[in-house]
Amino acid sequence: TQLLEQSPQFLSIQEGENLTVYCNSSSVFSSLQWYRQEPGEGPVLLVTVVTGGEVKKLKRLTFQFGDARKDSSLHITAAQPGDTGLYLCAGFVTDKLIFGTGTRLQVFP
Amino acid sequence: DVKVTQSSRYLVKRTGEKVFLECVQDMDHENMFWYRQDPGLGLRLIYFSYDVKMKEKGDIPEGYSVSREKKERFSLILESASTNQTSMYLCASSRGFVNSYNEQFFGPGTRLTVL
Repeated sequence: TQLLEQSPQFLSIQEGENLTVYCNSSSVFSSLQWYRQEPGEGPVLLVTVVTGGEVKKLKRLTFQFGDARKDSSLHITAAQPGDTGLYLCAGFVTDKLIFGTGTRLQVFP
Repeated sequence: DVKVTQSSRYLVKRTGEKVFLECVQDMDHENMFWYRQDPGLGLRLIYFSYDVKMKEKGDIPEGYSVSREKKERFSLILESASTNQTSMYLCASSRGFVNSYNEQFFGPGTRLTVL
């Protein structure tokens, strides 16, 4: 079973700070997705990256897919309390999504 | 808006009981999935289905079975619940041929506690 390791596991920061979450694997994925899950809800898709080296921006969130398609990062600029949640990366292999271990982010006002 | 609903938000059962978790989606999606979510382990796929009456094992199918008699409904069954099946269970659905562009839409989850 492919493993997707995320780091850090927990992140607690003040509003306005920048942060980066990493998603790493020894396996190659055809695409990678990032989801955010808020308390009491299911995960919601933020972005899909499909090309090695691809960078996508979603307002203050920047997603990058590694050149070798084994890793990805999520960078948040000027974090806000509304960014609080569990961030999950998920790599696509054949016909299944393999989810990462998750990064729980707490942004304090 | 795609909606995936799960029959219960919280469920408490005893060891050895048969447990049914129901999931319904209202967007005519072909694919449906059951995951369990545990801290530090992310989401792990239990079973999935591409079509009515069709099922495929995921990564951790032991102790579980599924049923898909209608396109909109996908049930997860714990034949004899055990304490190590205490977890958050998430149902998801997606459209069309499963490929790397598919978005999965998740329900709110069922937190199951087995005593």
